[in-house]
Amino acid sequence: GAVVSQHPSWVICKSGTSVKIECRSLDFQATTMFWYRQFPKQSLMLMATSNEGSKATYEQGVEKDKFLINHASLTLSTLTVTSAHPEDSSFYICSASRPRGGTDTQYFGPGTRLTVL
Amino acid sequence: ELKVEQNPLFLSMQEEKNYTIYCNYSTTSDRLYWYRQDPGKSLESLFVLLSNGAVKQEGRLMASLDTKARLSTLHITAAVHDLSATYFCVSAGNKLTFGGGTRVLVKP
Repeated sequence: GAVVSQHPSWVICKSGTSVKIECRSLDFQATTMFWYRQFPKQSLMLMATSNEGSKATYEQGVEKDKFLINHASLTLSTLTVTSAHPEDSSFYICSASRPRGGTDTQYFGPGTRLTVL
Repeated sequence: ELKVEQNPLFLSMQEEKNYTIYCNYSTTSDRLYWYRQDPGKSLESLFVLLSNGAVKQEGRLMASLDTKARLSTLHITAAVHDLSATYFCVSAGNKLTFGGGTRVLVKP
């Protein structure tokens, strides 16, 4: 099946620093990628939809200036958490959309656990 | 706004018994997914259901879709410890909408 990778798998940073998370589709081209965050024992919450070559579409309540998304190529999207604070600590998961059999199938990355001290 | 509701939110299972997780969604969607998530891990795709009456089975898991009732079910047959995980129902339109998840714990 299709593979989506994320890097890093976990990161610990100090409050006020910025952290970049990469999401790569390894064996297919993804015109659309999605970024989610998940708090402990909760469901996934869509943060933004990232389209290659255009600005990301953010969900209501997600600060675009704090969560910078760049979809530079058909295989790479990055999420930068700027001026991170402890409340940004979460599990961040990306997914990539791949057309398959007439529909788009979502493939999820392994996730990145961010801890802000 | 599309809403996806799962119940129960937590299910304690005994081995070798059968259980069902229910997923209701509020508006028409293109397809319905079931995913499994182990603690600290990402999501593993279990099933994608595309049409009314669709039924798919893999091992001890079987998923079905009733688009008229806007209901999908995930049935677990003869539960085993390996099935302990959180299961998510996800409705897909132009984006994915996740249910709250059902935490399953299978006790010996």
